[in-house]
Amino acid sequence: AQKITQTQPGMFVQEKEAVTLDCTYDTSDQSYGLFWYKQPSSGEMIFLIYQGSYDEQNATEGRYSLNFQKARKSANLVISASQLGDSAMYFCAMRDRSGGGADGLTFGKGTHLIIQP
Amino acid sequence: KAGVTQTPRYLIKTRGQQVTLSCSPISGHRSVSWYQQTPGQGLQFLFEYFSETQRNKGNFPGRFSGRQFSNSRSEMNVSTLELGDSALYLCASSLTPGQDSDTQYFGPGTRLTVL
Repeated sequence: AQKITQTQPGMFVQEKEAVTLDCTYDTSDQSYGLFWYKQPSSGEMIFLIYQGSYDEQNATEGRYSLNFQKARKSANLVISASQLGDSAMYFCAMRDRSGGGADGLTFGKGTHLIIQP
Repeated sequence: KAGVTQTPRYLIKTRGQQVTLSCSPISGHRSVSWYQQTPGQGLQFLFEYFSETQRNKGNFPGRFSGRQFSNSRSEMNVSTLELGDSALYLCASSLTPGQDSDTQYFGPGTRLTVL
């Protein structure tokens, strides 16, 4: 079973609208970390936001916020007031210990977001 | 502060050859991780190095290896290249490996094409 599921392969959004990118995860650990990254066409992965499993408040970083619903194992990224420069691939990732000890990040398949003027 | 740098940015090799990729982490970061990104498999964890020691390894064959130097710079090597090794190889550095909150910062990647 996939550990990170991003159900939206692609999204088209009008400039200045808010965007919600979905992410659900699967882990048996109580302690884990959730991350969102942006990957423009240039290829570099840009860190956006982090949410810890024990954090009671939803994380926010500028125009980015994370809608964390622990019981539903959901960690959706919300981008407010989208801009043309937000067009990119967006990846949800998790670090936990249930993968047999590997500490690397587990990534979802990504969502290709296109902002239209 | 300078970000993660990777060299070279692009490589073209033929089957059976070997290749070495280099990564310099953010100053002060002692952990370096490597990932492979392909259209079919997505992003997959290769291995992580900390203080010149491999801490973790993903599910890749022994043809994939790496090392880390005392200045935290890291190299990864792929021997006996196969067509399926064509990918974007991303390096990431971090401060506090092993903690759930440890944020990995990525370099621009090396795009390897195997002909």
